[in-house]
Amino acid sequence: DADVTQTPRNRITKTGKRIMLECSQTKGHDRMYWYRQDPGLGLRLIYYSFDVKDINKGEISDGYSVSRQAQAKFSLSLESAIPNQTALYFCATSDHPRGILRTGELFFGEGSRLTVL
Amino acid sequence: GESVGLHLPTLSVQEGDNSIINCAYSNSASDYFIWYKQESGKGPQFIIDIRSNMDKRQGQRVTVLLNKTVKHLSLQIAATQPGDSAVYFCAENRGNTPLVFGKGTRLSVIA
Repeated sequence: DADVTQTPRNRITKTGKRIMLECSQTKGHDRMYWYRQDPGLGLRLIYYSFDVKDINKGEISDGYSVSRQAQAKFSLSLESAIPNQTALYFCATSDHPRGILRTGELFFGEGSRLTVL
Repeated sequence: GESVGLHLPTLSVQEGDNSIINCAYSNSASDYFIWYKQESGKGPQFIIDIRSNMDKRQGQRVTVLLNKTVKHLSLQIAATQPGDSAVYFCAENRGNTPLVFGKGTRLSVIA
C-alpha cells in the first residue's frame, strides 16, 4: 500500500460544483502539503500544514481551502470549481525530526487529476 | 518574486551517455536543494539533495553540483538508461519554509 494515498485519482466535474480531494498518510509525518501541477509550470504550493492546528497559505491559495482533520489526513476543497482549476494535484508529506527546523524531503502521493468542464 | 527555474525544458540523450540537467535559482538565501524525478503517471520521487555548505554530492549514478557564486545547480546522470526518461525538477528552500520547485526538464533517452 502507498504511504501517501490520494482520492479520487481522477475526477471530472462541472463549473460551480464543490469538489474535495482527500489525502491520507501512514508515514507518521507532521507536515502535509497540497501542490498543483500544470504543464510547463512545475509544482506550485497551494496550502501546507505543519501540524493539526496549523494551516498556511501557499503561492496559489485563492479558490481553495483545506482541512487538517488529523495528523494523517489533509483534504483540499474547491468550493466552486472553475475550468482554470483543471490540473494535476499532489499531496505530499515531510518529516520534522525533533529539534530540526527544516522542511526536508517531500514524499508525494500519486496525484489526483481534476478536470473542470 | 524570486523563483527556481531551469535552463532547458527538454533534453534528449543517447543511451549510455551522460546527462546533465541544469537549474538556476534566484534566492541567494536558499540553503537546501533537492532533485526530484517524476515518471509518467506518478508523483515526484526524491533523487538526491545537497546543502549550501557543500559543492558536490554523489549518489548511485547521480551527482549534484552546486555553484553558489552563480546560483546554479546541476544534476549529472552517468550512463543514462531508458528508465531515466522522466521529468526532473529542482527544488529549493531556506530553513523551515516549504520547498519551491522549478518548472522541470523532460529527459528523453534514445535507445
